[in-house]
Amino acid sequence: GDSVTQMEGPVTLSEEAFLTINCTYTATGYPSLFWYVQYPGEGLQLLLKATKADDKGSNKGFEATYRKETTSFHLEKGSVQVSDSAVYFCALRISNFGNEKLTFGTGTRLTIIP
Amino acid sequence: NAGVTQTPKFRVLKTGQSMTLLCAQDMNHEYMYWYRQDPGMGLRLIHYSVGEGTTAKGEVPDGYNVSRLKKQNFLLGLESAAPSQTSVYFCASSRRRLRASGILGETQYFGPGTRLLVL
Repeated sequence: GDSVTQMEGPVTLSEEAFLTINCTYTATGYPSLFWYVQYPGEGLQLLLKATKADDKGSNKGFEATYRKETTSFHLEKGSVQVSDSAVYFCALRISNFGNEKLTFGTGTRLTIIP
Repeated sequence: NAGVTQTPKFRVLKTGQSMTLLCAQDMNHEYMYWYRQDPGMGLRLIHYSVGEGTTAKGEVPDGYNVSRLKKQNFLLGLESAAPSQTSVYFCASSRRRLRASGILGETQYFGPGTRLLVL
């Protein structure tokens, strides 16, 4: 079945460090890929998405490129801030009309220290 | 525009008790979802609905029932709570994808969550 494997946390970085959170997937069709972020005490918010191979999603300084050849969607940011501390979830959805199920990874907790 | 709201925010139940979690959205979305979030397991889909009066099972439906009597509301019921249902429950909603437009990957908007503890 479809699955998402993401980097286990927790991850702790200093402010202004470079961030990479790895995400790979297994899917039977052609998935759309997502990164969601969950700040403390809140629900999930969409951070960025990509709907086809080689697409790059970007938002708030974060980027992720849909790599079909390596089945990956790694999240990167060049210079993290304390406010980026949160749990990050990689997710996929197969692009079959009517299939609305999101499959999530287990989440990576990121802590940025000043 | 409140987005997606959930009631209650926190609840403690004893084994065997019943309760209903309420999700409401004011974005006129067709699709609504219930997920549970457990440590080390990410979010798993319990049930979902693609329109008023219709519901479908997700990945982990056992022990839960749902109803979508009004477009803006999606109720999740636990008839006889068990400790294994201790979790954080998230509701989400999204627009209906339009095949003709080619729009794929509609964004799901999440509520703030309901923390449930079953003793």
